[in-house]
Amino acid sequence: DGGITQSPKYLFRKEGQNVTLSCEQNLNHDAMYWYRQDPGQGLRLIYYSQIVNDFQKGDIAEGYSVSREKKESFPLTVTSAQKNPTAFYLCASYDRPYGYTFGSGTRLTVV
Amino acid sequence: QKEVEQNSGPLSVPEGAIASLNCTYSDRVSQSFFWYRQYSGKSPELIMSIYSNGDKEDGRFTAQLNKASQYVSLLIRDSQPSDSATYLCAVNTLNTGGFKTIFGAGTRLFVKA
Repeated sequence: DGGITQSPKYLFRKEGQNVTLSCEQNLNHDAMYWYRQDPGQGLRLIYYSQIVNDFQKGDIAEGYSVSREKKESFPLTVTSAQKNPTAFYLCASYDRPYGYTFGSGTRLTVV
Repeated sequence: QKEVEQNSGPLSVPEGAIASLNCTYSDRVSQSFFWYRQYSGKSPELIMSIYSNGDKEDGRFTAQLNKASQYVSLLIRDSQPSDSATYLCAVNTLNTGGFKTIFGAGTRLFVKA
């Protein structure tokens, strides 16, 4: 079955540590996205990529970095510069007219 | 600031009733409109997309779009306890180089058995 695979499902980060969230897709979609979800808030865009080797900052890119070396993969690194990283992170691909297909998410907690 | 507004709820309806979820948006040039369902602790899944004024039906779900009034709604007929979830409204607007999606914060729906 085609879809978006995110790992790990739960991730714990210590102060000053960088962590990387994995996102892989087999839908053959060009566009991939990272969103952050906090309780009571809408999804906020961190980064997106419309084509391999190219990506753009979203609304809340500070403290995050991404790469897009392969069409199938779009990993997100949460750096130590992100001071409030505890959230639910969602990776998605987009294909008109179907909208977004989301992965199962990674729940990141600072310990 | 482009916005998408939803009543946070919770909206509580009895089993078998019609649930009506509403969403308003601020950008008049918005083009595409989506409803996603999100169960607690899970990721959103697409229920409906609508692009032109009027109604679009899919099973028990009907999306309604009124661009002049800048609102989009989702009706769920014969509501079931399994419909209990948070429903996210999403709107695509034009942006430099393409489009941007703005998500509402969601409406929590409870269907009482």
